[in-house]
Amino acid sequence: SQQGEEDPQALSIQEGENATMNCSYKTSINNLQWYRQNSGRGLVHLILIRSNEREKHSGRLRVTLDTSKKSSSLLITASRAADTASYFCATAPSGTYKYIFGTGTRLKVLA
Amino acid sequence: DADVTQTPRNRITKTGKRIMLECSQTKGHDRMYWYRQDPGLGLRLIYYSFDVKDINKGEISDGYSVSRQAQAKFSLSLESAIPNQTALYFCATSGPADTQYFGPGTRLTVL
Repeated sequence: SQQGEEDPQALSIQEGENATMNCSYKTSINNLQWYRQNSGRGLVHLILIRSNEREKHSGRLRVTLDTSKKSSSLLITASRAADTASYFCATAPSGTYKYIFGTGTRLKVLA
Repeated sequence: DADVTQTPRNRITKTGKRIMLECSQTKGHDRMYWYRQDPGLGLRLIYYSFDVKDINKGEISDGYSVSRQAQAKFSLSLESAIPNQTALYFCATSGPADTQYFGPGTRLTVL
């Protein structure tokens, strides 16, 4: 089964609103990464948070990591139509590079 | 020029044919990966490589083989293609920072 599971599977919001998506995983990890994919294209790295970090910011993105609950959240503030995409989390069990991606959250931002 | 390139970008083949997908990178990274993505799903790891002599199976390696010809080149082969190998295939690289950089993908259809 997938190590990473995203929630919700789909999210539709109005431009300017915040979007929050969650990821859960099953094993100890070195880091957790978030990626964005525009329809059928290659994934683009958004942010990486290490296991000893609890929160990280990058522009309009805020990521949290709770290793005790094996979960992470990605917050996109002041969303734009251009943020419409699928968002995936990726993790690998500690000491490995055997990355597992979740099934993704499909975000639609309405103008 | 793109840092990670994949050829071909689209391929239609028949059941039982041998097919090779190629990936090249100019990022100087040691680690390279092959993933497949099925519609509406996340990526699943097929193989990954640390260098030309170090190749590792991923989550779904059955029916696939790989070759790391050089640090910059990593090929994926389907020895005898079958219809359920129809998918979008991505190559990725990563360096010391663990961030993965993805190619544009190869859309493979097996009839």
